[in-house]
Amino acid sequence: DADVTQTPRNRITKTGKRIMLECSQTKGHDRMYWYRQDPGLGLRLIYYSFDVKDINKGEISDGYSVSRQAQAKFSLSLESAIPNQTALYFCATSGMGSTGELFFGEGSRLTVL
Amino acid sequence: GENVEQHPSTLSVQEGDSAVIKCTYSDSASNYFPWYKQELGKGPQLIIDIRSNVGEKKDQRIAVTLNKTAKHFSLHITETQPEDSAVYFCASIGNQGGKLIFGQGTELSVKP
Repeated sequence: DADVTQTPRNRITKTGKRIMLECSQTKGHDRMYWYRQDPGLGLRLIYYSFDVKDINKGEISDGYSVSRQAQAKFSLSLESAIPNQTALYFCATSGMGSTGELFFGEGSRLTVL
Repeated sequence: GENVEQHPSTLSVQEGDSAVIKCTYSDSASNYFPWYKQELGKGPQLIIDIRSNVGEKKDQRIAVTLNKTAKHFSLHITETQPEDSAVYFCASIGNQGGKLIFGQGTELSVKP
């Protein structure tokens, strides 16, 4: 089984719908992240959490919200999806320390029509 | 805020040739520079990293160099093989509380 699991892997939805992307990890890491990947723009940080009670905005948090339900679970929500949120979304985890290696899930491809 | 610029966006080489990908960063306080490889349909994986107290690091066919004065770092792949085909991302951590900032990515294609 993968150490970092994302669900769903693919989702097509319509403008205005609420969407939740879920991430769970078995690495025992405290730090979890949500990134968005767009062609030519690389990986951009949406939100991150350094422990269960900690939530921080990243570079592009507008239109998104997160929930850290437990050490192992970190969910990303789009309250009212819009077409420019069509992208590949990655969850990642890391151990303690600012230079800890990031371990990524396999991604969730979201299409908003 | 911290910015990382990566070039080129696409790179095509013949098998056996070398490939070089370059990145520049803006925050002079940056002290950690990892490189990630993303294969098709998968998440990125760390392949090599370098810290600010060294100028070069090698691991078999891959190497990374760092020039702190010029604020740029590069990934070098020698004797490229088709399995090196992937998207490569550079990143840095600056004075921002431990968050990696990624470059735009380079799609490397190694032709047999």
